[in-house]
Amino acid sequence: EPEVTQTPSHQVTQMGQEVILRCVPISNHLYFYWYRQILGQKVEFLVSFYNNEISEKSEIFDDQFSVERPDGSNFTLKIRSTKLEDSAMYFCASSGIRDRGNQPQHFGDGTRLSIL
Amino acid sequence: GESVGLHLPTLSVQEGDNSIINCAYSNSASDYFIWYKQESGKGPQFIIDIRSNMDKRQGQRVTVLLNKTVKHLSLQIAATQPGDSAVYFCAVTTDSWGKLQFGAGTQVVVTP
Repeated sequence: EPEVTQTPSHQVTQMGQEVILRCVPISNHLYFYWYRQILGQKVEFLVSFYNNEISEKSEIFDDQFSVERPDGSNFTLKIRSTKLEDSAMYFCASSGIRDRGNQPQHFGDGTRLSIL
Repeated sequence: GESVGLHLPTLSVQEGDNSIINCAYSNSASDYFIWYKQESGKGPQFIIDIRSNMDKRQGQRVTVLLNKTVKHLSLQIAATQPGDSAVYFCAVTTDSWGKLQFGAGTQVVVTP
C-alpha cells in the first residue's frame, strides 16, 4: 500500500540554525500538509499546499516557516531560524486524487525535531 | 474557533469486548470527520471517515456514528484485540482545503 515517507526520523539542531524536513507524499495525491505535535499536546495544523501554492496556513506558520515542492515527488518544510519552542514531532500528510471534496489525509511517521 | 474534545483520556477494555470512543465538536459547520489511530512512534493512521450528510458508516470491525444535533461523534470497535491498543484521535474539518483540527486523543488499553 502506498505510504507517506518522512526523513530524517530524528533531527537535532542548535537554536538559530536552519532545518529542512523532507517528505515524499503518496504519488498521485494533490493536497499536501504539515502538522506538528508538541509532546503531550494535540496534533496542530501548520499549512496546506495545493497546485504549487499555500492554500491555508495557521498562525504558527510565521515568516520563519516555508514549504516547497521542488520536484514532482518531494515536499519540504523549512524553518529558517529555529527556536526552542519549535521542538516537536512534525508530520507530513497528503490526500486527494480528486480536485474537490474532502478526502482522507494519510500521514507519515513524522520527524522528531529537537532544538538545543 | 473549533473546539474538538474527547470525553475520556484513557479507556481500558477487555479483549473481545466492544470499545466506544467519543468525541465532541463545537463548530456546526464541520462537514467532514475522521478517526485516526496512533501507535507509539508512528504517525496517525486513517481508520474511517464520515461526511456530514451521513449518520453512520461501517468498516471492518469499526463503526462511526455522527450526531449533528448534539455535535457528537463516536467510534465503535467490535471485538477489541490487543493490536487495537493505541491512542485514537478524532479530527474534523470545515473547509475544502482539508485543514484538520484534532482532538486530544483517547488512550485505549486492551487487557487480556
